[in-house]
Amino acid sequence: NAGVTQTPKFQVLKTGQSMTLQCAQDMNHEYMSWYRQDPGMGLRLIHYSVGAGITDQGEVPNGYNVSRSTTEDFPLRLLSAAPSQTSVYFCASYAGVFNTEAFFGQGTRLTVV
Amino acid sequence: EDQVTQSPEALRLQEGESSSLNCSYTVSGLRGLFWYRQDPGKGPEFLFTLYSAGEEKEKERLKATLTKKESFLHITAPKPEDSATYLCAVQPPRGDFGNEKLTFGTGTRLTIIP
Repeated sequence: NAGVTQTPKFQVLKTGQSMTLQCAQDMNHEYMSWYRQDPGMGLRLIHYSVGAGITDQGEVPNGYNVSRSTTEDFPLRLLSAAPSQTSVYFCASYAGVFNTEAFFGQGTRLTVV
Repeated sequence: EDQVTQSPEALRLQEGESSSLNCSYTVSGLRGLFWYRQDPGKGPEFLFTLYSAGEEKEKERLKATLTKKESFLHITAPKPEDSATYLCAVQPPRGDFGNEKLTFGTGTRLTIIP
């Protein structure tokens, strides 16, 4: 099992550009989440999904969109990149409410200039 | 609003020198408290889940404990490979969507000196 795979690992964007961060898991987990990690702020939840076709907003959703068309994939879209979105992004998945051991991807380091 | 505070921010220990990391939290109806380890440039790695006050869990040199207001991660006779940032997170009661909104602390950066 590969676990949770994120691509790309590094990305530099210009202000106003759009892009999609990819996240895939091969553990058949229902629950998937996107976090951003900033120095001194801890991990903050952007969006999450409790199954295919079901998503909801987290703590810091503005400027990001998600969709969940399959159990395996949970892409995060930046609509119009801003310097404030410079961060490290992590995708996580876990099996369900009674099994909350979350598996994280390796992260995507995004810089917006 | 759920809050998680970890202390100290950074801790340097000699190899073999035992210590504890603290995670204090304010959340109504805690469903679970989680400990993760994060190495530089990597994603967090799950260590423990604690569900109720008085619960303890162990893994190698690590032991996590939980009270009604805080959790401790005890490190016994640490080795250099235990150097990492240790994150604490809390999970509030389940809401309409199962309430998957984990709230993380900012972590304790632990360095073990050989």
